[in-house]
Amino acid sequence: GENVEQHPSTLSVQEGDSAVIKCTYSDSASNYFPWYKQELGKRPQLIIDIRSNVGEKKDQRIAVTLNKTAKHFSLHITETQPEDSAVYFCAAGSDSGYSTLTFGKGTMLLVSP
Amino acid sequence: SQTIHQWPATLVQPVGSPLSLECTVEGTSNPNLYWYRQAAGRGLQLLFYSIGIDQISSEVPQNLSASRPQDRQFILSSKKLLLSDSGFYLCAWSVPTRIYFGEGSWLTVV
Repeated sequence: GENVEQHPSTLSVQEGDSAVIKCTYSDSASNYFPWYKQELGKRPQLIIDIRSNVGEKKDQRIAVTLNKTAKHFSLHITETQPEDSAVYFCAAGSDSGYSTLTFGKGTMLLVSP
Repeated sequence: SQTIHQWPATLVQPVGSPLSLECTVEGTSNPNLYWYRQAAGRGLQLLFYSIGIDQISSEVPQNLSASRPQDRQFILSSKKLLLSDSGFYLCAWSVPTRIYFGEGSWLTVV
C-alpha cells in the first residue's frame, strides 16, 4: 500500500517568513495530493490539492509543488501570519472515483508574531 | 451547498460498552462516505469507506463496524469498546475525490 512520509514534524517561523513542508510517497499509482490544515480541536480543512498532471498550483499565499519522478510534493506558505499556526497534513491517493487517502503524520506550524 | 453533520460531539464510554456514531450529508446525492480515526498527536487513519448503500469496505480489522442504511447516512458502531478505541473520529464525504470532514466526535474510553 501507499506510505506517506512528512517532514518536519514541527516548524517554528517568525511572522512574515516563509514555511515549507515536504512529503514523499511510495506508490507511483497515486495521482492526487491534497493538503489539510487542522486547528486545535477542530476538523481538518482542505486548503489546496494537486493532481499528477500538474507540477505546481498556487492560491494566494499558499502553493504546492509536485515532482512525480522523485515522488515528493511540498507545501509553501509565504508571508506567514499567526493565524497560519496549525497542524498541516499531506496526503496521497488515487483519483479514481473515490479517495482512499493515506495521510502523513502532520507538521505543527507555529508562527510567532 | 453541501453540509455534513456528525454526532455526538463528545462521549465518554466505559470499556466493554457499545458505540454508535452517526453522520449525515446534505446537499448531494450518492456521496462517497468515510470514517477516519485520529489518535492523540497522530495522523488520520482510514477505517471504512463506502461508495453506495450496503457497499462498505474496511481498511483496518478491529472491533468496529460501519453501516450505510441510507444514501447520505453513515454509522460507526462497536459492540464492545476497548481502551485503544479512544480518539477523534471523523466522518467525511467526497464527490468524487476531494474529501471534506465533519466536525468530529471525541471518544474517551475509560
